[in-house]
Parts: sequence; structure tokens; C-alpha cells
Amino acid sequence: DTEVTQTPKHLVMGMTNKKSLKCEQHMGHRAMYWYKQKAKKPPELMFVYSYEKLSINESVPSRFSPECPNSSLLNLHLHALQPEDSALYLCASSQDAGMNTEAFFGQGTRLTVV
Amino acid sequence: GENVEQHPSTLSVQEGDSAVIKCTYSDSASNYFPWYKQELGKRPQLIIDIRSNVGEKKDQRIAVTLNKTAKHFSLHITETQPEDSAVYFCAATEAGGSYIPTFGRGTSLIVHP
Repeated sequence: DTEVTQTPKHLVMGMTNKKSLKCEQHMGHRAMYWYKQKAKKPPELMFVYSYEKLSINESVPSRFSPECPNSSLLNLHLHALQPEDSALYLCASSQDAGMNTEAFFGQGTRLTVV
Repeated sequence: GENVEQHPSTLSVQEGDSAVIKCTYSDSASNYFPWYKQELGKRPQLIIDIRSNVGEKKDQRIAVTLNKTAKHFSLHITETQPEDSAVYFCAATEAGGSYIPTFGRGTSLIVHP
């Protein structure tokens, strides 16, 4: 199984809503990542979890709150988002954040904030 | 931190032609250089990668070259096909720390049949 599964695929939410994005992998990877990607731009790193601990937060606003319940799951909790937060949110995983190995990306959640 | 420059931003070729995308990086300690292909509306997927102890790597129609002295690496696609049309991202990672790829800005490759 070389899949990173993200749900939902699409999400439309209002600025006062609370929603969560979910990511799951069963490859035994110990590093998981959240990226934000705007149209025609490269993925921008948001958070890195290494061995279920948050190791990197790229100065992301607090309206985005990551959570890693276990080594296979990664969530991104959303609250009070702005329209400019509309983007494709990509989850990725790799064997170990300390090793240079391939990152596997999920299909992404296309988020629209209205 | 690492800075990756990628050129060109758009590349248009005829089917059967070759395509070359070039990237430069700033951190001489970087030692892993993956290339990702992202089709419209889909996830980025690794197509080839190279490590700093290798100068060239080939996989069928795709090859990557690395010049550590000049700090640049390139993706070469031969005999291009319409299904090669996508956005290609190069990346470089800082050695000695977490595997956090720094992506280039992307190249939109269009292969005309």
C-alpha cells in the first residue's frame, strides 16, 4: 500500500465554520506533512510531524490547527478561515523526516472558503 | 535556508521533441533532488530523483543530471508524448536536518500532438 488518503476531496465552508481535513497512510512512515497549494504555484509547507510530534510550524496562522492522533493519521482543524485560505491542501508522508527519501502525496482536499 | 530557482516557467514542444527543465539551488549541503509531476487536478508524484553522489540517472525516457559544483540539476524528457503534459516541480533538500523539500516554482510543460 503506497497510498496517502485524504478526505474529503472537496470542501466548501463559511468563514464561521469549523471543519477538519483528514489524512491517513499505512506505509509505516514516521514523518507526515501538510502543504498548501494555490493554483499554478508550488506546494508551500505548513507543518511537519515527526514521530507524532510537531517538529515544524512554518508560521502558519492559528486558524489552522494540526493534530497527529497516531503514526498513521494526520488531521488539520480549520476555524474562522478567510477566503484567501481557499486552496488545495496536500498531505504527504515520508519514511523518516531525518532521511532523504521520497515523499508520497495524497490527492489533496480542494478547500473553498465563502 | 535553501532557495531553488526553476526555468522555464512554461515550455511548449511538439510531440516527439525533447524537453529540458533546469533548476539551481543555493545550499551546497543539499544532497537529494527529486522531481515531481503534477497533472491538472491531481497530486504531485515523484517521477525521478537523484542523490549527490551520482551525476546522472535515467529511467526510460526521463533522465536527470546533477552538477554539484555549479549547483544545478536538470530534467530531460525525450520523445515527448501528449500525456507528458503537466506541471513539473524540482526540489532540493537540506542535508543534516529534516527532509523538507524546497520546491522550485514549477514548469508547465505542454506537448502538442
